[in-house]
Amino acid sequence: KQEVTQIPAALSVPEGENLVLNCSFTDSAIYNLQWFRQDPGKGLTSLLLIQSSQREQTSGRLNASLDKSSGRSTLYIAASQPGDSATYLCAVLGQNFVFGPGTRLSVLP
Amino acid sequence: NAGVTQTPKFRVLKTGQSMTLLCAQDMNHEYMYWYRQDPGMGLRLIHYSVGEGTTAKGEVPDGYNVSRLKKQNFLLGLESAAPSQTSVYFCASRKNGHGMNTEAFFGQGTRLTVV
Repeated sequence: KQEVTQIPAALSVPEGENLVLNCSFTDSAIYNLQWFRQDPGKGLTSLLLIQSSQREQTSGRLNASLDKSSGRSTLYIAASQPGDSATYLCAVLGQNFVFGPGTRLSVLP
Repeated sequence: NAGVTQTPKFRVLKTGQSMTLLCAQDMNHEYMYWYRQDPGMGLRLIHYSVGEGTTAKGEVPDGYNVSRLKKQNFLLGLESAAPSQTSVYFCASRKNGHGMNTEAFFGQGTRLTVV
């Protein structure tokens, strides 16, 4: 059974810092990995999708990497802003999506 | 540009009552999913569908039923609501396949309270 973990569970940083969120999964037989953002009381917004054959994807200040063989993905956020404060979830697609528990990020002004 | 729309957004039920949650997507996606999100438990898959007329059980299907009579709609039913079904319910959809165009899109959620 696929299990997804995310470290850290919570993170608080001052504005402007670069930061890394981690996602680990136990079964490397995945088709893709997707990072989401969730604001309090809201739905999930897709940030980046990485196919299993890819190593990384970039969108603006976000860069996601994937090392399928070691079961790891990282989400790098450059020059963080208070508006980046949210919970970040990773999900791996095998037969279905399996989600990690999320990292709650607070960026302080 | 509606994407995935869930109805209703909020609902309070009494124990034993029934209700249906509606999920509608306008992206012609084959796959549709129902998840529940609970504090400390993350997102858990209830049921899913790989196409019109098909449904399958996920991780936590007990107490729920689903139907996919039309490709764009996926209904989640609670026949006899229980307090343990108090949760936030999310619907998602994606295209068939496993490439870059298979990004999953989520609705805004339905907050259900069973008293």
